[in-house]
Amino acid sequence: AQSVTQPDIHITVSEGASLELRCNYSYGATPYLFWYVQSPGQGLQLLLKYFSGDTLVQGIKGFEAEFKRSQSSFNLRKPSVHWSDAAEYFCAVDFNQAGTALIFGKGTTLSVSS
Amino acid sequence: GAVVSQHPSRVICKSGTSVKIECRSLDFQATTMFWYRQFPKKSLMLMATSNEGSKATYEQGVEKDKFLINHASLTLSTLTVTSAHPEDSSFYICSARPHWDTRYEQYFGPGTRLTVT
Repeated sequence: AQSVTQPDIHITVSEGASLELRCNYSYGATPYLFWYVQSPGQGLQLLLKYFSGDTLVQGIKGFEAEFKRSQSSFNLRKPSVHWSDAAEYFCAVDFNQAGTALIFGKGTTLSVSS
Repeated sequence: GAVVSQHPSRVICKSGTSVKIECRSLDFQATTMFWYRQFPKKSLMLMATSNEGSKATYEQGVEKDKFLINHASLTLSTLTVTSAHPEDSSFYICSARPHWDTRYEQYFGPGTRLTVT
């Protein structure tokens, strides 16, 4: 079955430190890949997406993600975390590349310590 | 651009009553809208996909008679939870795909917190 795994439920990072959030997906083909951020009481905001081409994609707020086909992974990174980055992060996958259903991971809660 | 709103943001209703949630694309036309349900500390689960002017397509396990979806115009979709029960309490989120989008990106609303007492 198609699935998206975010292995880390909760991560705490010191402000200014680097961040990597992991995302793995099942299925062999190259799907469309997304990272969203959700702040309390807010809707989902798209951080970045990958459809094809360069496997390192840049997003908003200083985030980037790298698609690794061999590992079926799409990990999110940020070199220096700010306190305002504390939120819930979701990896989502469109396995059909058809703009239909997005399969979401369970999310990773990011806490930022000072 | 590409703003999606939901109304109400919070609603409390009594068990057995029905409640309607609206999802609007404010600055674009959406040929397709999606309804998701999010449980506490859980990911979003797709409930149904609605295309303007046609019947919604429900995901397996979602009761179509309980969760009525109407996509009457290119900017409005509604989700009606009929005969609500406490187990229907959840966070409901809609998303919309612009008619001009060729990359299948979805724009999400802020969500509606439903509490059934």
